[in-house]
This record gives sequence, structure tokens and C-alpha cells, in this order.
Amino acid sequence: KQEVTQIPAALSVPEGENLVLNCSFTDSAIYNLQWFRQDPGKGLTSLLLIQSSQREQTSGRLNASLDKSSGRSTLYIAASQPGDSATYLCAVRGENTGFQKLVFGTGTRLLVSP
Amino acid sequence: EPEVTQTPSHQVTQMGQEVILRCVPISNHLYFYWYRQILGQKVEFLVSFYNNEISEKSEIFDDQFSVERPDGSNFTLKIRSTKLEDSAMYFCASSLAGTSYNEQFFGPGTRLTVL
Repeated sequence: KQEVTQIPAALSVPEGENLVLNCSFTDSAIYNLQWFRQDPGKGLTSLLLIQSSQREQTSGRLNASLDKSSGRSTLYIAASQPGDSATYLCAVRGENTGFQKLVFGTGTRLLVSP
Repeated sequence: EPEVTQTPSHQVTQMGQEVILRCVPISNHLYFYWYRQILGQKVEFLVSFYNNEISEKSEIFDDQFSVERPDGSNFTLKIRSTKLEDSAMYFCASSLAGTSYNEQFFGPGTRLTVL
């Protein structure tokens, strides 16, 4: 059974810092991994989709890397801003968990203070 | 930019009542999904739907749940007889296709409270 874990559970940083969020998954047979942002009481905003054949994907100040064989992904946020404060979720789509089903991690709650 | 919309944003119901949660997926998308998130817990997959049929469902999606595409734009989740443990945020999502290359785009959610 695929398990997705995110560390740390919470992170507080001052504005301007570069930071790394971690995601690990137990079954490396995945199709892709998606990073989302969730604001309190709100929906999920897709940030990046990284395919199993890719090593990294970039969008603006965000960079996601994937090491499929070791079951890990990182989301790098450069020059953090207070507006980046949210919960960040990773989710994997796996060969052994249903073709269309996303399996989510518990999230990292990020607070960027001015 | 096209987005998934959901109504209502918040639904309060009594235990045992039927509820219908509504979603309008992105217009050219073909695959539709429901997920739920109980407060403080992970987002969990419920069901995926394509070509007017369920293509995958989880063990959570029992006989109390059903999905329907009643017209060309809406996608609904019905819970026949709500239980206290059905209280959660329900998210609708859609994707252009069902292949592994396709991103799923999520709506803002409906918060369901069962009293």
C-alpha cells in the first residue's frame, strides 16, 4: 500500500529565506507526482506536476525534484514571501494504487513571516 | 483561466438526510473525480468517472455514495443517508485525459457538516 509522508509537518521562516519541503513515498512504481498548495479552508491549487521520467520541474520561484528510485521528492521555494504561507501537499499517482487515484501526504504547513 | 467550480460552499444537514454536492469541471476535460478531506486528515480519493461510468473507486465509496453527470456541464456526488462521519470537505477535480501525464485540477471544495 502506497504511503506518502511529508517532513517537516510545520515550518516557520523569515521572509527571503530559501526553503525545502520533503515528500517521501513507499512504492517507487509511480506515474507522476503533483505538488499542491492549500490555503486554510480552501481548495487545492496545483503547483507542479513531475513525471516519473523527469528529474525536476520548475515554475517561477518553485523547483520540484524527483528521485523515483529512492521514493523522494523535494519542493524548493526560493526567496520566500509572506504570500507563500499555506499548507503544501504532495500526491503520487502510482502503478499499483489505481491508475487515476492520487495518494496524498499529510502536508507541510508553512508560515513565512515579514 | 478555466477552473473547477463547486456548489454549495458549505452544506449543513441532519444525519440520515440525502445530500447532493455539485461540481462544474473544466469544460474540455473528460475525467472527473471526487476526493474528501476529514478535518485534520489527509485528502482521500473517492471515485473517478469517465464516459458516464465509474472508472475507479475506493473502499470509502460504498453503496451510500453515487455519482452522476446529469448534463453536459455538471458532475454530482450524492450521499443517500448521511452519517456523522461523512462530515468533511469534499473536493471535485477534473483532468483533460486519464493518462499518467495529466494534471488533476481541483475545485474550492464543499464543506459538509452532518449534525
